[in-house]
Amino acid sequence: GQQVMQIPQYQHVQEGEDFTTYCNSSTTLSNIQWYKQRPGGHPVFLIQLVKSGEVKKQKRLTFQFGEAKKNSSLHITATQTTDVGTYFCAGGGNTDKLIFGTGTRLQVFP
Amino acid sequence: NAGVTQTPKFRVLKTGQSMTLLCAQDMNHEYMYWYRQDPGMGLRLIHYSVGEGTTAKGEVPDGYNVSRLKKQNFLLGLESAAPSQTSVYFCASSYPLPGAFGETQYFGPGTRLLVL
Repeated sequence: GQQVMQIPQYQHVQEGEDFTTYCNSSTTLSNIQWYKQRPGGHPVFLIQLVKSGEVKKQKRLTFQFGEAKKNSSLHITATQTTDVGTYFCAGGGNTDKLIFGTGTRLQVFP
Repeated sequence: NAGVTQTPKFRVLKTGQSMTLLCAQDMNHEYMYWYRQDPGMGLRLIHYSVGEGTTAKGEVPDGYNVSRLKKQNFLLGLESAAPSQTSVYFCASSYPLPGAFGETQYFGPGTRLLVL
């Protein structure tokens, strides 16, 4: 079945450093979504990418969707302590379900 | 709008006991989902529903049953709880656009279940 892998599993950074998480699907996706889950909280939608090679920005966050629509990345520039949490990618195929990646847990030290 | 709500927030069960988790949404969403989240495992889909009266199996359906008698409610049942079902359970809902797949999901706050 379809699988979505994320790396790294954990990342500890000093405040002000950059952070990147990568997402890879075993199959071509119709869209990729990114969610953020704060410690003790629930996943919250961040963004959706649909087009091949698409790049979207939200302030310090940059999201990319690969040309083959099988991979994606989230890059955070100059991390802040408010960025702490687990970031999930979720791939949409040709079904009614999203396949969530395993997540990358980000810890930011002040 | 309350969005997606889940009841209860926390529960402790003994092995073999049964319980029902309730998910309610007030956004008129067609699709509803139940996930479980375990450390290092991400979110795994248990069951989902694409409309009132319909249900379908997800990735890890064994030991769980669901019902969608009303559009706004999605119930997850554990008939005979096992320690392996200790987890955090999230409900989510989404509104599918025509011709689109995998629309944005809105999550509830979660139910923490401990099975002893």
